[in-house]
Amino acid sequence: GENVEQHPSTLSVQEGDSAVIKCTYSDSASNYFPWYKQELGKRPQLIIDIRSNVGEKKDQRIAVTLNKTAKHFSLHITETQPEDSAVYFCAASRPSGGFKTIFGAGTRLFVKA
Amino acid sequence: EADIYQTPRYLVIGTGKKITLECSQTMGHDKMYWYQQDPGMELHLIHYSYGVNSTEKGDLSSESTVSRIRTEHFPLTLESARPSHTSQYLCASSEGGNSPLHFGNGTRLTVT
Repeated sequence: GENVEQHPSTLSVQEGDSAVIKCTYSDSASNYFPWYKQELGKRPQLIIDIRSNVGEKKDQRIAVTLNKTAKHFSLHITETQPEDSAVYFCAASRPSGGFKTIFGAGTRLFVKA
Repeated sequence: EADIYQTPRYLVIGTGKKITLECSQTMGHDKMYWYQQDPGMELHLIHYSYGVNSTEKGDLSSESTVSRIRTEHFPLTLESARPSHTSQYLCASSEGGNSPLHFGNGTRLTVT
């Protein structure tokens, strides 16, 4: 069935360093890839998304890259800050079957001051 | 303000009780979803709806039921709660097509 694998499950970085989270999807029909950030005790919130017609998208310190051939997409956070500490979820959805969103298992990011 | 609202925020009940978790959105979204999530862990889809009178079961087997009589309202009911139902339940909605999910603040359920 459809599957999204996310790595690593836990990531610890020093403040100011970069963090990279990688996801792989199985359904080649997927064409929309959002990333959500969930802070402790709060709801997941969209931080960036990318559609299959582009290979990269950037928003300030956050960027997402997509390799459709390899079915990989990645989240890059530069100049990390303690407030970036959270759980990050990647997801994939496709334009059929009800646009059901498939989530990765999440990455717990710790940014040490 | 357009948003998605869940009540109650916290609920502690005894085994065997019937409960309904409320979810309402004021964004006019057709699609709505229920996810079960232990804090900070994976999001498991338990129910979804494409519109009024449309409901489907998700990937995670659940003993709950849902209804969608109005666009804005998507309640989830547990007929007989058990300790294994203890978890956080997140409601979400989205526009048509490929678009992001908007999550509610969740209901944290504890069954004793």
